[in-house]
Amino acid sequence: QTVVTQEPSLTVSPGGTVTLTCASSTGAVTSDYYPNWFQQKPGQAPRALIYSTSIRHSWTPARFSGSLLGGKAALTLSGVQPEDEAEYYCLLYYGGSQGVFGGGTKLTVL
Amino acid sequence: QLQVQESGPGLVKPSETLSLTCTVSGGFISTSTYYWGWIRQPPGKGLEWIGFFYYSGSTNYSPSLKSRVTISVDRSKSQFSLRLSSVTAADTAIYYCARAPDQWGQGTLVTVSS
Repeated sequence: QTVVTQEPSLTVSPGGTVTLTCASSTGAVTSDYYPNWFQQKPGQAPRALIYSTSIRHSWTPARFSGSLLGGKAALTLSGVQPEDEAEYYCLLYYGGSQGVFGGGTKLTVL
Repeated sequence: QLQVQESGPGLVKPSETLSLTCTVSGGFISTSTYYWGWIRQPPGKGLEWIGFFYYSGSTNYSPSLKSRVTISVDRSKSQFSLRLSSVTAADTAIYYCARAPDQWGQGTLVTVSS
């Protein structure tokens, strides 16, 4: 069974920079996995942030950026704001069509 | 602005079939750019990808749910549906419908209990 792994939790100071990663049990993550990133705040539905590795949606602030880093998908937040405190999920597509979510990263802004 | 909205029973008995409908407004299911489907989230836990279909009709399901899941579409009503058979308490979750890669519904809680 394919497993997608994220850091369980990370802490960042306001104004700082943090990188969340997303690894696949099958090996290196490439653009062929079409990495997606989602943000979820308590009591809310997830909101899409990034698709196809690095493409921001029209509503996604520029401080969020997606990339591939050391064989993983990565989400970097630069100039972190208090409202960025949330759970972040990555989604990878296998064979271009079968999705698997990561377990999520709880980001604390402190 | 496209919106998707889930509807269906909030309580299902064990061993029965869970049925949910997603209504699409402000857009068309037949648009070739997007995938449409379902995700779920057990209370206090992470997201699980259930399955999605493409406008052409091809459908992909999670291997762990494939034997129990059917996703169907009614383009005339701008709706698509989820059926999950032989449910147990482990299927209790918030179920989201979505248009990939961008739009999600608000989710609907389905509890499996007698």
